[in-house]
Amino acid sequence: EPEVTQTPSHQVTQMGQEVILRCVPISNHLYFYWYRQILGQKVEFLVSFYNNEISEKSEIFDDQFSVERPDGSNFTLKIRSTKLEDSAMYFCASSFGGLNTFGSGTRLTVV
Amino acid sequence: SQQGEEDPQALSIQEGENATMNCSYKTSINNLQWYRQNSGRGLVHLILIRSNEREKHSGRLRVTLDTSKKSSSLLITASRAADTASYFCATDAPTSGTYKYIFGTGTRLKVLA
Repeated sequence: EPEVTQTPSHQVTQMGQEVILRCVPISNHLYFYWYRQILGQKVEFLVSFYNNEISEKSEIFDDQFSVERPDGSNFTLKIRSTKLEDSAMYFCASSFGGLNTFGSGTRLTVV
Repeated sequence: SQQGEEDPQALSIQEGENATMNCSYKTSINNLQWYRQNSGRGLVHLILIRSNEREKHSGRLRVTLDTSKKSSSLLITASRAADTASYFCATDAPTSGTYKYIFGTGTRLKVLA
């Protein structure tokens, strides 16, 4: 069964550093998403991406975040100048136009 | 309250008992899904129910959907210690045009052996 792959599974970074979280969506999917889950809280939508541009973003997705689909397979989330409160699980998802398929997540720890 | 509120927030039962979790949502949906998450781990997809369905079964899981009340329930029968996890509902948001999901606040289930 096709799956969404995320790397790395766990990343530790110093406060103020830039991080890039990587995702390989399912190959024939058209919509791509990033979600965030702070420990002990619910999963929150960050951003959706379609046709090589952001189609929707939440209030959380401020100027320190950016997304990119640099080639035909990868989808990345960049966090510039990380803060302690960016520590969370980040989930990538993709869909053909409906059901989201989620990756297993990247746990980001900012120290 | 927000789209995707679940109750109870926490549930503790004995092994062998049934566990029922509820989810309410606010806007119209095309589908609703239930996920399980072990502490600090990824989301495990359990079951999908579409807006034109009222009930679905998968093994020990039974999901109901009442679109008139904008609510869903997840029943786990004959619970096991391994069912200990957090359970989330997630609804799509067809009016958004982006097919994003909105997650509930989750129910933390603890099954005591």
